Amino acid sequence: EDKVVQSPLSLVVHEGDTVTLNCSYEVTNFRSLLWYKQEKKAPTFLFMLTSSGIEKKSGRLSSILDKKELFSILNITATQTGDSAVYLCAARLNAGNNRKLIWGLGTSLAVNP
Amino acid sequence: DAGVTQSPTHLIKTRGQQVTLRCSPKSGHDTVSWYQQALGQGPQFIFQYYEEEERQRGNFPDRFSGHQFPNYSSELNVNALLLGDSALYLCASSPLATDTQYFGPGTRLTVL
Repeated sequence: EDKVVQSPLSLVVHEGDTVTLNCSYEVTNFRSLLWYKQEKKAPTFLFMLTSSGIEKKSGRLSSILDKKELFSILNITATQTGDSAVYLCAARLNAGNNRKLIWGLGTSLAVNP
Repeated sequence: DAGVTQSPTHLIKTRGQQVTLRCSPKSGHDTVSWYQQALGQGPQFIFQYYEEEERQRGNFPDRFSGHQFPNYSSELNVNALLLGDSALYLCASSPLATDTQYFGPGTRLTVL
């Protein structure tokens, strides 16, 4: 059965801390891994990773994929209260035109002032 | 560009009723996927529409059905509502050649 597991499930840090969120996957026909940030409503896209070892960076956020060990990490440096959200990762399967994503349960991050 | 839009924003129904949720994809996107997200859970895939046909389906009963129109907009219908159907229903669209899905704001359905 295809699955995506995220850890930790919940994390509380102080502003300025650096956090690392983990996402491991076991899926057939893996194509890409996506990270999303979800605050109150819909998830917003952060990164898409398809190749191992190539870091994607956006401001204080960065992410990397390891296709050999089947995991990805999302790093957030110098955290701010606005980073408080649920961070979701999803594995996209390589199945023609299908866009099915296998989602993890998310990591709930709370950044305290 | 309006992005992905969904309506209504919130909806309250009673058990046994039927509901229709609507989604307009981002301009240029032809594929629409629907997800159910319960509180504290990740999104669960319901089904995906492309070229007005259901292309893939998750583990949801036949009470959940959908439709895609020629303009790529989509509807999700749920019949015989159960209390457990209360959730945030998310619509995501994507263009043919990419993996990235863009989500709408969701419809919060409450079944009493």
